[in-house]
Amino acid sequence: DAKTTQPPSMDCAEGRAANLPCNHSTISGNEYVYWYRQIHSQGPQYIIHGLKNNETNEMASLIITEDRKSSTLILPHATLRDTAVYYCIVRVHRSNDYKLSFGAGTTVTVRA
Amino acid sequence: DVKVTQSSRYLVKRTGEKVFLECVQDMDHENMFWYRQDPGLGLRLIYFSYDVKMKEKGDIPEGYSVSREKKERFSLILESASTNQTSMYLCASSLVAGGTLRETQYFGPGTRLLVL
Repeated sequence: DAKTTQPPSMDCAEGRAANLPCNHSTISGNEYVYWYRQIHSQGPQYIIHGLKNNETNEMASLIITEDRKSSTLILPHATLRDTAVYYCIVRVHRSNDYKLSFGAGTTVTVRA
Repeated sequence: DVKVTQSSRYLVKRTGEKVFLECVQDMDHENMFWYRQDPGLGLRLIYFSYDVKMKEKGDIPEGYSVSREKKERFSLILESASTNQTSMYLCASSLVAGGTLRETQYFGPGTRLLVL
């Protein structure tokens, strides 16, 4: 799986959009971009994933650049409950390697 | 809604005790996983199971065993707990077939185990 690079931390004001960048310059054509988050003392939570096109669900939007070397997770209206560590990973689907590996992620603190 | 539950949020055991950690999912997922998470070491896969009674070793299976007698339940067993098994244990599940959901793992809340 390709390596990803994320800023170690960022702050966001409650009610504003949080834009979380991720670089994956060595991504290959069959690798998907996934985002998970982990709120303190809880299990990781799946947020969203995509291959080429931008994706949106009830939690967030994922914007992938045309060259696929970077992406941005957007939390449209951050709340205090969005304070968590956010992990960006890239994975090949239908591989035999099931395990997830997270890097250090971005610690997002939403402030009132 | 996807649901993975773990039998305990916090557990304190003594060295040498046999420890059972239970995980149940209600999504009819074929794959189930046990990870441990430690500061600075990230997530490490202990075991996973792709079907009832089937299991595969992950990266750190030593000192652990697993049991999958029913599709919805995956148990992690510490045969003789040791202090270096103090950790956060996370169970996850995922589908096998059907689009990209296969690669999405859904996690339980975690069990924080302290071995004294």
